Amino acid sequence: NAGVTQTPKFQVLKTGQSMTLQCAQDMNHNSMYWYRQDPGMGLRLIYYSASEGTTDKGEVPNGYNVSRLNKREFSLRLESAAPSQTSVYFCASSEVVAGPHNEQFFGPGTRLTVL
Amino acid sequence: RKEVEQDPGPFNVPEGATVAFNCTYSNSASQSFFWYRQDCRKEPKLLMSVYSSGNEDGRFTAQLNRASQYISLLIRDSKLSDSATYLCVVNTDDMRFGAGTRLTVKP
Repeated sequence: NAGVTQTPKFQVLKTGQSMTLQCAQDMNHNSMYWYRQDPGMGLRLIYYSASEGTTDKGEVPNGYNVSRLNKREFSLRLESAAPSQTSVYFCASSEVVAGPHNEQFFGPGTRLTVL
Repeated sequence: RKEVEQDPGPFNVPEGATVAFNCTYSNSASQSFFWYRQDCRKEPKLLMSVYSSGNEDGRFTAQLNRASQYISLLIRDSKLSDSATYLCVVNTDDMRFGAGTRLTVKP
């Protein structure tokens, strides 16, 4: 099992460019998440998908869109990248959104720099 | 005010030391609590869940005080391999992460 995979691992964009971060999980999890991690800020939730066919905003959704393509895949799109979106992006999955056994499994991350 | 606040650290301790991390959360409706570990430039991984009665996993002990909205993690007999950042995580409608406390265990 690969767990949670993310592509690309690294990306450099110019301001105004667009890109899509891909995420896939092979654990048959219902819920998937996108986070960003900035120094001193911890992980902040951008969007999540509690189940296939649903998506919801998290703490910092502005400037991003998501697509739950199927149960396995959850993509994050930056339509017009800004330097403030320079960050490390993590995708995660879990069986369900909430609950005491809600362990989230994370992908290796994408390091994005916007110039 | 952040929803989840942790000791800023860093903590630098010798091997064999006991170290404790604290975390407070602001949402009294929070239902589930966790400690995650994150190694440098790696993804977070679950260390342990935190239960109301407190729980222990080897050298690690987690405590929850709902009245004070406070979570703690105690590491006994620290090892070099314990060096990492420890993230306090609180689950209400979604998961909220603390900024993390960095631990370095030195020989």
